Amino acid sequence: ELKVEQNPLFLSMQEGKNYTIYCNYSTTSDRLYWYRQDPGKSLESLFVLLSNGAVKQEGRLMASLDTKARLSTLHITAAVHDLSATYFCAVITGTASKLTFGTGTRLQVTL
Amino acid sequence: GAGVSQSPSNKVTEKGKDVELRCDPISGHTALYWYRQRLGQGLEFLIYFQGNSAPDKSGLPSDRFSAERTGESVSTLTIQRTQQEDSAVYLCASSFPGSSYGYTFGSGTRLTVV
Repeated sequence: ELKVEQNPLFLSMQEGKNYTIYCNYSTTSDRLYWYRQDPGKSLESLFVLLSNGAVKQEGRLMASLDTKARLSTLHITAAVHDLSATYFCAVITGTASKLTFGTGTRLQVTL
Repeated sequence: GAGVSQSPSNKVTEKGKDVELRCDPISGHTALYWYRQRLGQGLEFLIYFQGNSAPDKSGLPSDRFSAERTGESVSTLTIQRTQQEDSAVYLCASSFPGSSYGYTFGSGTRLTVV
């Protein structure tokens, strides 16, 4: 059974600081996704990582994928308050179409 | 439509009643998914439709839960004899099958069983 774990589960950081969220998964995967969820809202797609070594960047967020280590990272550079949200990674394996989600990381950026 | 539409957005029901939750996927998206999110937790997969058939319904938690899809479009998730532990946000998503772009999620239905 595929398991997807994220850490940390909760992250409080000051504006201007850098930090990394980690996503580990238990079986070989073809694709990995990062989503953002604001409180009381639905999920917004951030990144799609399709191959080993893939790196995507959007603003202060950068996501990477190491399929050999079964690890993805979401790096936050010079955090701002607007990045406060819960971030989920999700994985699809083999021929399955369903996404299996990680536990989520609640990010709180303080002024 | 432009996005995935879910209704109602909020539903409060008494324990023991049946509820129906509706999802309108993006036009042309043949794959449709239902997930459940309990307060402060991650997303639990419930069921996956490809067209009108459900090749994976492994996440339905009990026989009180059922779902159907008609016309390769609208899907309805039905919960019979609701229990308090059914309280959660129910999220629907759609995609092209095998899409590399992942899913587009609806805004969810918040179900509260009192």
